[in-house]
Amino acid sequence: NAGVTQTPKFQVLKTGQSMTLQCAQDMNHNSMYWYRQDPGMGLRLIYYSASEGTTDKGEVPNGYNVSRLNKREFSLRLESAAPSQTSVYFCATLRADSGRDEQFFGPGTRLTVL
Amino acid sequence: AQSVTQLDSQVPVFEEAPVELRCNYSSSVSVYLFWYVQYPNQGLQLLLKYLSGSTLVESINGFEAEFNKSQTSFHLRKPSVHISDTAEYFCAVSANNTNAGKSTFGDGTTLTVKP
Repeated sequence: NAGVTQTPKFQVLKTGQSMTLQCAQDMNHNSMYWYRQDPGMGLRLIYYSASEGTTDKGEVPNGYNVSRLNKREFSLRLESAAPSQTSVYFCATLRADSGRDEQFFGPGTRLTVL
Repeated sequence: AQSVTQLDSQVPVFEEAPVELRCNYSSSVSVYLFWYVQYPNQGLQLLLKYLSGSTLVESINGFEAEFNKSQTSFHLRKPSVHISDTAEYFCAVSANNTNAGKSTFGDGTTLTVKP
């Protein structure tokens, strides 16, 4: 089992460029999440998807869009990148098991916007 | 809404010394509490969690945390640390009427274990 995988691992963009961060999971979990992590801060939720076909905004959704392509895949798109979006992005899933909830995180994508 | 305060941004300790990483939270509803560990250039891994039941929870690698409702705290402790425990530690809270994926995270505590 690969768990949660993310591509790419690293990316450098110029201001105004667009890109899509990919996330895939093989754990058959319904819920998936995108977080960003900035230096000296914890994770902040960007968007999440409680199940295939649904998406909802998190704490910091501005400047991002998401697509829940199927149960396995959840992508994050930056339409016009800004330096403020320089961050490490983590995808996660949730095993919801009545009283045994647990999140599983991918290795992260390190994005720099110049 | 919930909030989490990790009281120490950096904690340096010597190997085999005890350590406590402090976490306070605020919430208007009952909560689930989590501690995650992040090693350099990796994602977060769940260390331990409190969902219900015993207020003292333990991890497989010797860490423990105690949920103190009256003090709204969930401090992480280990009686004797190893070099390999050097990492970033995050406390997180979620309301127990929602799912753990919508947790609020603290800003992290960097634990550095020195030989």
